[in-house]
Amino acid sequence: GAVVSQHPSRVICKSGTSVKIECRSLDFQATTMFWYRQFPKKSLMLMATSNEGSKATYEQGVEKDKFLINHASLTLSTLTVTSAHPEDSSFYICSARQGPYNSPLHFGNGTRLTVT
Amino acid sequence: GENVEQHPSTLSVQEGDSAVIKCTYSDSASNYFPWYKQELGKRPQLIIDIRSNVGEKKDQRIAVTLNKTAKHFSLHITETQPEDSAVYFCAATLPNDYKLSFGAGTTVTVRA
Repeated sequence: GAVVSQHPSRVICKSGTSVKIECRSLDFQATTMFWYRQFPKKSLMLMATSNEGSKATYEQGVEKDKFLINHASLTLSTLTVTSAHPEDSSFYICSARQGPYNSPLHFGNGTRLTVT
Repeated sequence: GENVEQHPSTLSVQEGDSAVIKCTYSDSASNYFPWYKQELGKRPQLIIDIRSNVGEKKDQRIAVTLNKTAKHFSLHITETQPEDSAVYFCAATLPNDYKLSFGAGTTVTVRA
């Protein structure tokens, strides 16, 4: 089955630094990947849609300069949290589909970001 | 976009009993409805999905029903076991829209 790998699984950084999270589709090509943010005991909030070879599409209220997304290849998307602050601490999860819109969405294992 | 509501937010059942989670959606054009199970600190895992041309789908102890007229769909877990304890999310998507709209989640606790 389709496998999505996300790295790192946990990261602790200091305020003001930047953190990069990688999302890879291991056994399929993904022209589109999705980045979600999840707060404790809350649902998955879509942050942006990552499009291979073009700019990401951000959801309303998500700062594109804060959360930089790059989708340089058909198997890799990266999310960079720039100038991180404690309020950016959260669980970030990427996802991708192997097929059309009505096929299963497969999630990465998530990244627990803690900003001190 | 699509708006998905999910109830209840928490559900506690005795081992062996059934659990039912219900979701409603706002846009009648939505035609794909997956359910995800998420254990604490882990990724959401797809457990079952249904498309709008089908009214019911079953996979062992898990079943999903869809009522397009009423715009609601439900997850049924029979003979619950402790390992069924997790957060369950329903979701819906519109045709040709790659984004999934998730419900708020239901925390299911199976008491031994």
